[in-house]
Amino acid sequence: SQQGEEDPQALSIQEGENATMNCSYKTSINNLQWYRQNSGRGLVHLILIRSNEREKHSGRLRVTLDTSKKSSSLLITASRAADTASYFCATRKTGTASKLTFGTGTRLQVTL
Amino acid sequence: DGGITQSPKYLFRKEGQNVTLSCEQNLNHDAMYWYRQDPGQGLRLIYYSQIVNDFQKGDIAEGYSVSREKKESFPLTVTSAQKNPTAFYLCASSLVEEQPQHFGDGTRLSIL
Repeated sequence: SQQGEEDPQALSIQEGENATMNCSYKTSINNLQWYRQNSGRGLVHLILIRSNEREKHSGRLRVTLDTSKKSSSLLITASRAADTASYFCATRKTGTASKLTFGTGTRLQVTL
Repeated sequence: DGGITQSPKYLFRKEGQNVTLSCEQNLNHDAMYWYRQDPGQGLRLIYYSQIVNDFQKGDIAEGYSVSREKKESFPLTVTSAQKNPTAFYLCASSLVEEQPQHFGDGTRLSIL
């Protein structure tokens, strides 16, 4: 079953704008990860945030985690056309080894 | 360069036929995974392996089989029992199960 649900399903912005994607999940987690997928390609890991962390940065990416609301957000600042891709959150539930559960993704389109 | 290689990129299956998807990694990772992705959907776990000669069923294992005879290789067989095999199949690996996963570029399977 899908643990994470991304919102919005699709997002279209202009280059230079910020893009915010949200992920909600249902059960307690050990960590939450964000991945990016270009069309027809495999996923690329972007960032991992642990359940005891509230915010993490990596370059133009900022991820927040609110375990009380069971939600996370991914902010991409100063978007570029090359950021056009689908973005997925994936959660590792508390007490379960190995399994990541992926959400349905947000399709981001960045136009010039 | 280290990475994960999936082959073939495109595969066609006839009714009643078994087909095998190849996944090879040279990252020296212990854990390997197979996912299925349907259009507009997230990833669903088919099988995973934490160590050579051991593997576990994921959420949608029916109609699929795997083997893990070598650390580098984790082939997936789509059997004739899988009645709806048309999908994009992604292989991934991680150093250990808690670490982020590295993905191959997928195999797109279609029915003739």
